[in-house]
Amino acid sequence: SQQGEEDPQALSIQEGENATMNCSYKTSINNLQWYRQNSGRGLVHLILIRSNEREKHSGRLRVTLDTSKKSSSLLITASRAADTASYFCATDAYNNNDMRFGAGTRLTVKP
Amino acid sequence: EAQVTQNPRYLITVTGKKLTVTCSQNMNHEYMSWYRQDPGLGLRQIYYSMNVEVTDKGDVPEGYKVSRKEKRNFPLILESPSPNQTSLYFCASSTGETQYFGPGTRLLVL
Repeated sequence: SQQGEEDPQALSIQEGENATMNCSYKTSINNLQWYRQNSGRGLVHLILIRSNEREKHSGRLRVTLDTSKKSSSLLITASRAADTASYFCATDAYNNNDMRFGAGTRLTVKP
Repeated sequence: EAQVTQNPRYLITVTGKKLTVTCSQNMNHEYMSWYRQDPGLGLRQIYYSMNVEVTDKGDVPEGYKVSRKEKRNFPLILESPSPNQTSLYFCASSTGETQYFGPGTRLLVL
């Protein structure tokens, strides 16, 4: 069963703008990860945030985690057309091998 | 280059004709898994393997089999494919945290 649910389902922005995607989950987690998928291709790991962390940065990516609200957000700053992809959050309830993915947010960045 | 490979990448078959999708990783990962991806449903885990000769069911195992005779290989077997198994399939291997995905196999069962 899906653990994470991304919001919005689709997001369309202009190049240079920031993109924010949210993820909500249902049970306690050890960590939460964000993955990116270009159309029809394999997922690529972007960033992992542990349950005892509140914020993490990697380049133009900023991830926050609020365990009290069971939610996370992924912010992509100064977006580029090449950021166009689907973004998925994944959570592990019991161990890092038992991961649950949401349905994803489809981001379109217009040049 | 560290990678997960899957073959074939595209496959059209008919109902009931047994098929195997191969998956191989060169990163010496103990953990491997199979997912299917369908529109609006995200990725759903089919089977996973914690190590050689150790496999377990994921969320949607019906109609699938797997084997793990070697660490690097984790084939997905559809003994009698049906149209509802038409999907995009991904194999992944893991360090224990990050999952590394293969390029996907698009399967159409007529």
